Amino acid sequence: AQSVTQPDIHITVSEGASLELRCNYSYGATPYLFWYVQSPGQGLQLLLKYFSGDTLVQGIKGFEAEFKRSQSSFNLRKPSVHWSDAAEYFCAVGGLRDYKLSFGAGTTVTVRA
Amino acid sequence: DAGVIQSPRHEVTEMGQEVTLRCKPISGHNSLFWYRQTMMRGLELLIYFNNNVPIDDSGMPEDRFSAKMPNASFSTLKIQPSEPRDSAVYFCASSPAQTSYNEQFFGPGTRLTVL
Repeated sequence: AQSVTQPDIHITVSEGASLELRCNYSYGATPYLFWYVQSPGQGLQLLLKYFSGDTLVQGIKGFEAEFKRSQSSFNLRKPSVHWSDAAEYFCAVGGLRDYKLSFGAGTTVTVRA
Repeated sequence: DAGVIQSPRHEVTEMGQEVTLRCKPISGHNSLFWYRQTMMRGLELLIYFNNNVPIDDSGMPEDRFSAKMPNASFSTLKIQPSEPRDSAVYFCASSPAQTSYNEQFFGPGTRLTVL
């Protein structure tokens, strides 16, 4: 069965500081991995996705994520956060012939001035 | 493109009433998903349509829930009768492909409160 674990429920970071959100997945085949962001009162927006190739993927809003197969991880990073990055972030896993995405429970990011 | 459109954005109803949530997917997308988001259970897939046909409804919690997709540009999720435990945010998402290879585009959601 596929599953995603986001170990951190809530992270507080200062504006301008770096951010790393952890994601561990379980999937029986080659995983397709996604990070979504949900701003308050909004739907989910795709930040980036990984299917194959370079294990470091770049996304929108200055985010990047690194796929580490040996650790079953797909951690999200941003070198310098902005107040507008305050949101909830979801990691998700799917596969080539699998229409379903399994979402993690989410990590809420608070940005302090 | 207007993105995925959902209506209403907020719905407050009383227990026992019928509730209908509406979704217009992105034009040209052939896959449509209904999700429910709660604090306790996170984001749950309720039902998946492909080319207007329900493919997987295993996530529909019980017979009180039903979903239809009469054409490629419209889908409904109905709860009858509604109960307080149905209070949640319901999202519709669409995708241009049948696999998760492609992004799912989410609507803004409908926040449902059942009193």
